[in-house]
Amino acid sequence: EPEVTQTPSHQVTQMGQEVILRCVPISNHLYFYWYRQILGQKVEFLVSFYNNEISEKSEIFDDQFSVERPDGSNFTLKIRSTKLEDSAMYFCASSVEGLNQPQHFGDGTRLSIL
Amino acid sequence: GENVEQHPSTLSVQEGDSAVIKCTYSDSASNYFPWYKQELGKRPQLIIDIRSNVGEKKDQRIAVTLNKTAKHFSLHITETQPEDSAVYFCASKAAGNKLTFGGGTRVLVKP
Repeated sequence: EPEVTQTPSHQVTQMGQEVILRCVPISNHLYFYWYRQILGQKVEFLVSFYNNEISEKSEIFDDQFSVERPDGSNFTLKIRSTKLEDSAMYFCASSVEGLNQPQHFGDGTRLSIL
Repeated sequence: GENVEQHPSTLSVQEGDSAVIKCTYSDSASNYFPWYKQELGKRPQLIIDIRSNVGEKKDQRIAVTLNKTAKHFSLHITETQPEDSAVYFCASKAAGNKLTFGGGTRVLVKP
């Protein structure tokens, strides 16, 4: 069964540094998402991406965040200047086109900001 | 914006018994309600979903019910087995594709 893959599984970064989290969505999926989960809290939506542009973003997704689909397979989340409060598990997800289609999640990247 | 509340936060059941997890949502425009199971260190895995034009959906030992009037939906697991032990998340979706998640329920099935 095809899966969403994420790399790295764990990223440790100094505060203020830039970090890029990578995702390979399922190949025939056209919608891509990033969610995050701070330890002990709910899974929170960050951004959705379709047709090479952001289709929706939350208030968490401020100017420090950006997403990109640099080629036909990767989907990345960049945090420009990390803060301690960015420490969380970041999940990538993807879905096929269409209304109310299931979103399939990757294993996540645990981001630790020191 | 949408808010989803999930109860209980932890649930311990004896193997073979049923488990019920309940969620309420706030946005009456919500029309899609998936449930995810997350085992320790693994990805959230979709186990069942229901759309707003349906009141109940069943898949083997798992069923989900939806009450749009009351704005709540529930997950029912019958004949629980130790491998059902995990954290379960409900979610809802209104306009767009953003999922709003509940806080999760840690289910422990005791053999």
